[in-house]
Amino acid sequence: NAGVTQTPKFQVLKTGQSMTLQCAQDMNHEYMSWYRQDPGMGLRLIHYSVGAGITDQGEVPNGYNVSRSTTEDFPLRLLSAAPSQTSVYFCASAKAQGGYTFGSGTRLTVV
Amino acid sequence: EDQVTQSPEALRLQEGESSSLNCSYTVSGLRGLFWYRQDPGKGPEFLFTLYSAGEEKEKERLKATLTKKESFLHITAPKPEDSATYLCAVQGGSEKLVFGKGMKLTVNP
Repeated sequence: NAGVTQTPKFQVLKTGQSMTLQCAQDMNHEYMSWYRQDPGMGLRLIHYSVGAGITDQGEVPNGYNVSRSTTEDFPLRLLSAAPSQTSVYFCASAKAQGGYTFGSGTRLTVV
Repeated sequence: EDQVTQSPEALRLQEGESSSLNCSYTVSGLRGLFWYRQDPGKGPEFLFTLYSAGEEKEKERLKATLTKKESFLHITAPKPEDSATYLCAVQGGSEKLVFGKGMKLTVNP
């Protein structure tokens, strides 16, 4: 049972490049979310999903896209990377009203 | 809009010195209040879920309590290994999990 798996663990992008952060869970959780964590800002919600085919915006969605074609996967796409997107990104999953399980994070630097 | 405020932002304790962390919240239709622990360079680790006012949960030296406006994480006789950032979050009717900014706890031997 791997839990929540995020890839890659580290990434450096140039401004304007696009990329996808992968997130997969093997716990059959309905809910999945993406957060970014910046010093002094705490965890801020980017996008979330309550089931396959259903996504919604969080607090800081601009510059990011998501889709949820399967229960297991919830990729986060950066459309055109900007230095302001330098952050640590966490994916998390949960059963309805259950505690979220977090991945180990992706540390992204945009230069 | 759901909001969570944690205080203090940072706390230094001596080993064995008990204290409490505060989490104030506003939420539309509370579905759950969550406490997490985060160590440097790692993802948050789930500690507790509280669902209704008056509920309490314990785990080793930690005890979480809930009222209609706030939650407390009581730390009894802490040890250096309790040093971490403690995060509070709420989930309301929108299903979104909204976090506070966290509280960094340092326990000195």
